Amino acid sequence: NAGVTQTPKFRVLKTGQSMTLLCAQDMNHEYMYWYRQDPGMGLRLIHYSVGEGTTAKGEVPDGYNVSRLKKQNFLLGLESAAPSQTSVYFCASNGGAAEQYFGPGTRLTVT
Amino acid sequence: AQSVTQLGSHVSVSEGALVLLRCNYSSSVPPYLFWYVQYPNQGLQLLLKYTTGATLVKGINGFEAEFKKSETSFHLTKPSAHMSDAAEYFCAVIGGAGYSTLTFGKGTMLLVSP
Repeated sequence: NAGVTQTPKFRVLKTGQSMTLLCAQDMNHEYMYWYRQDPGMGLRLIHYSVGEGTTAKGEVPDGYNVSRLKKQNFLLGLESAAPSQTSVYFCASNGGAAEQYFGPGTRLTVT
Repeated sequence: AQSVTQLGSHVSVSEGALVLLRCNYSSSVPPYLFWYVQYPNQGLQLLLKYTTGATLVKGINGFEAEFKKSETSFHLTKPSAHMSDAAEYFCAVIGGAGYSTLTFGKGTMLLVSP
């Protein structure tokens, strides 16, 4: 039982490049989330999903897109990366009991 | 809408001293409240949570928190700090449609000196 996993762990992008972050969970959870963490800002919700095929905007959705084609996977896409998107990205999932389980994070640098 | 305020971005204590990390919240619905801990270069781990029932909740590693509705607070305490407690701590409140999203505070870094 791996819990929540994220791929990749680290990535460096140039401004304007695109990439996709993959989150996978093996707990059969309905809810999945993407957050970004910046120093002094806590975690801010980017997008989330309440079930397969659904997505919703969080607090800071601009510049990101998401897809939930399979229940166990939640993808976060950056179509044209900007230096302001340099951050640590965390995925989480929730089986409906309120507690969220977090992945180990992806550290993204945009130059 | 809900929000969380954590007082103090950094708190320093000596090993063996009381740990007190403050959290105040606002919520338009009965809140569910959480404390998470983050060790360097790791994800977040749940310390404890309050949903309903007993207002004093105990968590892992000797931490506990008390929900005080009248003060809209959920402060985290530990009687005796250990060096291994040095980490960043986040308070969070759940709300939103269907209680589906968490709102986090900005975090408090706990520093423990020998």
